[in-house]
Amino acid sequence: SAVISQKPSRDICQRGTSLTIQCQVDSQVTMMFWYRQQPGQSLTLIATANQGSEATYESGFVIDKFPISRPNLTFSTLTVSNMSPEDSSIYLCSTGLAGVQETQYFGPGTRLLVL
Amino acid sequence: QKEVEQNSGPLSVPEGAIASLNCTYSDRGSQSFFWYRQYSGKSPELIMSIYSNGDKEDGRFTAQLNKASQYVSLLIRDSQPSDSATYLCAVYSWGKLQFGAGTQVVVTP
Repeated sequence: SAVISQKPSRDICQRGTSLTIQCQVDSQVTMMFWYRQQPGQSLTLIATANQGSEATYESGFVIDKFPISRPNLTFSTLTVSNMSPEDSSIYLCSTGLAGVQETQYFGPGTRLLVL
Repeated sequence: QKEVEQNSGPLSVPEGAIASLNCTYSDRGSQSFFWYRQYSGKSPELIMSIYSNGDKEDGRFTAQLNKASQYVSLLIRDSQPSDSATYLCAVYSWGKLQFGAGTQVVVTP
């Protein structure tokens, strides 16, 4: 499996501010995925990020709220913009290996609390 | 109707017994199925994948798939306290990984 790291591991933010989460993979991968896991719930896909193209967002998620960058084949960022307490969640990045996007491995997650 | 459904639990299992977890899915065209284990405060860890009907064994874990019934299960044999976690069923459907709500397993000594 890939080694996936995320920064920060956790943060406490004020309402109305933005936070950028970084995801680094130890090998080149085609697709990277961003998920949200709200307290006590399962994982929901936010968007899929391909290098060199715009991210593809799932229903209910928009680029203005969750802008994503994918500058190269090992790195991606997710920004949570204009945060409200409802954005308090765990944010996870994942990737498949060898182009097998359905077999996904997850980073350690970023635990976000918005006050 | 949810895409992937699991019993939320908690499923209480005596140490040494078999834990049986079930999952149903709605997309009959799904071809790839996964089980993840998630400890409290940690991220999901892939423990099993299955693609064909029948059983697949890996150590104390056995995944079972029945595409006709749209049903996938996970058996944990000789359950240990370290198996206490939430187990997430995931199905690759409509170009993305769809997760169930997870089943919490509690192994009691």
